Amino acid sequence: KQEVTQIPAALSVPEGENLVLNCSFTDSAIYNLQWFRQDPGKGLTSLLLIQSSQREQTSGRLNASLDKSSGRSTLYIAASQPGDSATYLCAVRRTGNQFYFGTGTSLTVIP
Amino acid sequence: GAVVSQHPSWVICKSGTSVKIECRSLDFQATTMFWYRQFPKQSLMLMATSNEGSKATYEQGVEKDKFLINHASLTLSTLTVTSAHPEDSSFYICSAPAGEGRYEQFFGPGTRLTVL
Repeated sequence: KQEVTQIPAALSVPEGENLVLNCSFTDSAIYNLQWFRQDPGKGLTSLLLIQSSQREQTSGRLNASLDKSSGRSTLYIAASQPGDSATYLCAVRRTGNQFYFGTGTSLTVIP
Repeated sequence: GAVVSQHPSWVICKSGTSVKIECRSLDFQATTMFWYRQFPKQSLMLMATSNEGSKATYEQGVEKDKFLINHASLTLSTLTVTSAHPEDSSFYICSAPAGEGRYEQFFGPGTRLTVL
């Protein structure tokens, strides 16, 4: 069974700092990996999608990388802002359409 | 991106009653939808895969007789929590693959269920 782990579980940084969130998965036979943001009591907002054949994806201040062979992905957030405060989830997709979610990283950006 | 809606956004019910949650794809057709459950401060756990026109596929440990799934059309899947108990209180979220190649999952806003 696919196990997805995110480190750290919680992170608090001052505004403006660059930060890295980590995601690791046990089964490298993935179809793609997706990073999401979840605000308290809300649904999920898709941030970046990386296909298994890709190494990275960028959107604005966000950059996600994927190393399938080592079972790792990172989400880099540049120049963090208080509005970035949320829980960040990574999810890996295997064959079929099921996604398996990581444990999440709760980010707080302090003004 | 594609839009997925859920209804209701929250519901409170008495123990022993049944609750139906709807998941709709608003601007695309979805032959497959997924139902997740999220307990407080935990990640999402896949419960079942809803297939249009056929039976749902349940993950290990999920009671299919308790969580009834119906996917009667290409834009609607329903999850019915039967004989709900307080331990069923959770945040239920659905998703559907969409976009070119259907690579990406789009999620509904979730339904908060509280069973008294």
